[in-house]
Amino acid sequence: EDQVTQSPEALRLQEGESSSLNCSYTVSGLRGLFWYRQDPGKGPEFLFTLYSAGEEKEKERLKATLTKKESFLHITAPKPEDSATYLCAVQSDQTGANNLFFGTGTRLTVIP
Amino acid sequence: KAGVTQTPRYLIKTRGQQVTLSCSPISGHRSVSWYQQTPGQGLQFLFEYFSETQRNKGNFPGRFSGRQFSNSRSEMNVSTLELGDSALYLCASSPPAAGGRSYNEQFFGPGTRLTVL
Repeated sequence: EDQVTQSPEALRLQEGESSSLNCSYTVSGLRGLFWYRQDPGKGPEFLFTLYSAGEEKEKERLKATLTKKESFLHITAPKPEDSATYLCAVQSDQTGANNLFFGTGTRLTVIP
Repeated sequence: KAGVTQTPRYLIKTRGQQVTLSCSPISGHRSVSWYQQTPGQGLQFLFEYFSETQRNKGNFPGRFSGRQFSNSRSEMNVSTLELGDSALYLCASSPPAAGGRSYNEQFFGPGTRLTVL
């Protein structure tokens, strides 16, 4: 059975203090790993898709990387507006297309 | 391009009633998936529709059903509501497969907040 574990559950950073969020996964045949950002009361906002180990993608202060067992979301010099819950999800041979299996998320708070 | 829209945004029902939620995908997207989000279970997949056919289904009871219309708009229905059905119901649409891939990123709507009393 597919498993996705995100750590830490919550993270408080000072503005400008860089850090990384972790997503560990155990799936049968990874087809894609996805990162989303979710603000309270809103739907998840798509950030990145990673398809194969070694792949990296960047967007503003965020950089996502993928290995065969985990993915990291690196946040460089975060700002208060980066405060949100970051969700990791996988698509695999088991889940099938257009069915995302989500982790429970990391709640990030950036303090001015 | 307009994003995924969901109506209504908020809904209050009582136990035993039924409810219908609506989702309009991004123009050109033919796949629509539905998810339930609760504090205890997180985001869980309900089902996916493509070209008016249910293509994939999660592990939810038969009280949860859906359909898709020829214009790709989708509805989900929950019958005989229970207190535990209180949740944020999210709809997501996916673009057509590209580059030989059948797995694509999904774009979510704002959700419908359902409260069952």
